[in-house]
Amino acid sequence: KQEVTQIPAALSVPEGENLVLNCSFTDSAIYNLQWFRQDPGKGLTSLLLIQSSQREQTSGRLNASLDKSSGRSTLYIAASQPGDSATYLCALDTGRRALTFGSGTRLQVQP
Amino acid sequence: KAGVTQTPRYLIKTRGQQVTLSCSPISGHRSVSWYQQTPGQGLQFLFEYFSETQRNKGNFPGRFSGRQFSNSRSEMNVSTLELGDSALYLCASSSPRDRGFNEQYFGPGTRLTVT
Repeated sequence: KQEVTQIPAALSVPEGENLVLNCSFTDSAIYNLQWFRQDPGKGLTSLLLIQSSQREQTSGRLNASLDKSSGRSTLYIAASQPGDSATYLCALDTGRRALTFGSGTRLQVQP
Repeated sequence: KAGVTQTPRYLIKTRGQQVTLSCSPISGHRSVSWYQQTPGQGLQFLFEYFSETQRNKGNFPGRFSGRQFSNSRSEMNVSTLELGDSALYLCASSSPRDRGFNEQYFGPGTRLTVT
């Protein structure tokens, strides 16, 4: 059974810092991995999707990497802003369109 | 392109009642998945529908059911509500032809409170 762990559970940083969020998983037989953002009481916004054959994806200030052999993915946020404050979730799809989610990292960026 | 829509956004029900939630996927998406989010269990997969057929089901009791219509809209039903069913219910749609690889797009969710 796939298990997904996200560390740290919460993070508070001053504006402008670069930061790394971690996601680890137990089963490397994945189809893709998605990073999402969730604002309080809201739905999920897809940030990046990494296909199983890819090593990383970039979108603006965000960069996500995938290392299947070690069971790890990282989300790098450059030059953080207060508007980045949210919960970040990683989710794995084994090809059956049933995402397995981590518990999330709650990020607060202080002005 | 319009996003995933869910109705209603908020619901309050009493234990023992049943409830039906609705989800309209992104136009052209034929796969619809449902998830339950609670503070204790996080996000958990309920089931996935494609072309009116349930293709995958999570580990939830039979009180949770769903269906999909020919226009890809989906409903989920929870019968005999329990207090523990209070949660945010999220719907997601995807299409392998949209950027490929089944990227899932989520709706805003339905907040269900059972009293």
